[in-house]
Amino acid sequence: DAEITQSPRHKITETGRQVTLACHQTWNHNNMFWYRQDLGHGLRLIHYSYGVQDTNKGEVSDGYSVSRSNTEDLPLTLESAASSQTSVYFCASSERDRSDTQYFGPGTRLTVL
Amino acid sequence: QKEVEQNSGPLSVPEGAIASLNCTYSDRGSQSFFWYRQYSGKSPELIMFIYSNGDKEDGRFTAQLNKASQYVSLLIRDSQPSDSATYLCAVTHGSSNTGKLIFGQGTTLQVKP
Repeated sequence: DAEITQSPRHKITETGRQVTLACHQTWNHNNMFWYRQDLGHGLRLIHYSYGVQDTNKGEVSDGYSVSRSNTEDLPLTLESAASSQTSVYFCASSERDRSDTQYFGPGTRLTVL
Repeated sequence: QKEVEQNSGPLSVPEGAIASLNCTYSDRGSQSFFWYRQYSGKSPELIMFIYSNGDKEDGRFTAQLNKASQYVSLLIRDSQPSDSATYLCAVTHGSSNTGKLIFGQGTTLQVKP
């Protein structure tokens, strides 16, 4: 069955370290999105991509980067982790023609100490 | 600032009752509207979407949209304890097909046996 996976599911890191969260989907969806979810803020868009080599900044992109080298993967990199980036991170994907109908991965809980 | 507002709850209903979840949005250009269900510690799961004014029914779920009042609701008939979760309202950002969604903070529903 087609699916969307994220790894690791849990990660603890230290302030200043570079961290990469993986997102892999087998639906052959063109569009992929990264969100963070925090109490009091709900889900907020970090970065998104409409296809290979395309990336765009979302609402809360500072301190994060993404790259899209193939259709299946959109890794999220925290260049220098900060305690404010402690959160639950969700990846989502959608079809080219229904970009707003998004399906979410299981999430990664990141703690920055 | 484009916003989506939901009452955080908790909304408590007895088993078998109708649960009514409400959402208002500020962007008059929004074209698509979504309801996600999120169990504690899990990822958001798409349960309903609606694009046109009026009602859309799917099993025990009915989504209602009133664009003039900028109001979306979700009715759950014959509520079950398994419906206990947080329900997230999401609307598209503007009128273009960018796939960018704005999420409300969610309403927690408790269905008591």
